[in-house]
Amino acid sequence: SQTIHQWPATLVQPVGSPLSLECTVEGTSNPNLYWYRQAAGRGLQLLFYSVGIGQISSEVPQNLSASRPQDRQFILSSKKLLLSDSGFYLCAWSAHLNTEAFFGQGTRLTVV
Amino acid sequence: AQTVTQSQPEMSVQEAETVTLSCTYDTSESDYYLFWYKQPPSRQMILVIRQEAYKQQNATENRFSVNFQKAAKSFSLKISDSQLGDAAMYFCAYRRINKLIFGTGTLLAVQP
Repeated sequence: SQTIHQWPATLVQPVGSPLSLECTVEGTSNPNLYWYRQAAGRGLQLLFYSVGIGQISSEVPQNLSASRPQDRQFILSSKKLLLSDSGFYLCAWSAHLNTEAFFGQGTRLTVV
Repeated sequence: AQTVTQSQPEMSVQEAETVTLSCTYDTSESDYYLFWYKQPPSRQMILVIRQEAYKQQNATENRFSVNFQKAAKSFSLKISDSQLGDAAMYFCAYRRINKLIFGTGTLLAVQP
């Protein structure tokens, strides 16, 4: 069966520090991968999605970037965090062509 | 661009009663998928139900059912015999090929 791992679960980082959140999927190949951000009490904002290795689509221009160095690995990064980057980050995967997405446990990021 | 709108930020229902959560979406496509996800306090995203746009029959999953009105671009979720465990944030989502877009969510409270 397929599983998705996302870590760390919580992270407190100072303003201006770098960020690296990692997400890996097991039990499937060539998945679609997604990064979402959820601000407190708000909806899910699609940040990036990827349909294959090295293929990244950015939905919202901001202080973050994403990379997919391997088929089942998706990384969210920032060179310098801002206070506004605080939030709950969710990684998800789906098979291609209109199926549902399955989510990781999320990372709660607090920038101080 | 596709958008998903949930006009009810909060809803409340008595245990054992029925509640309907609203969702509208905007798209020019004819082939797409719609989903309802549940996010309990643990913040884990859980798929509740899915609907293929080409199907006229409304999807049902036990106590959960949808009212899909394609021409009106409406996709509401009905929860019957509400239980305390149904208390959560509910998100409507639209998927067209690789992109999965979420609404802002409805926070459902279940009163004993």
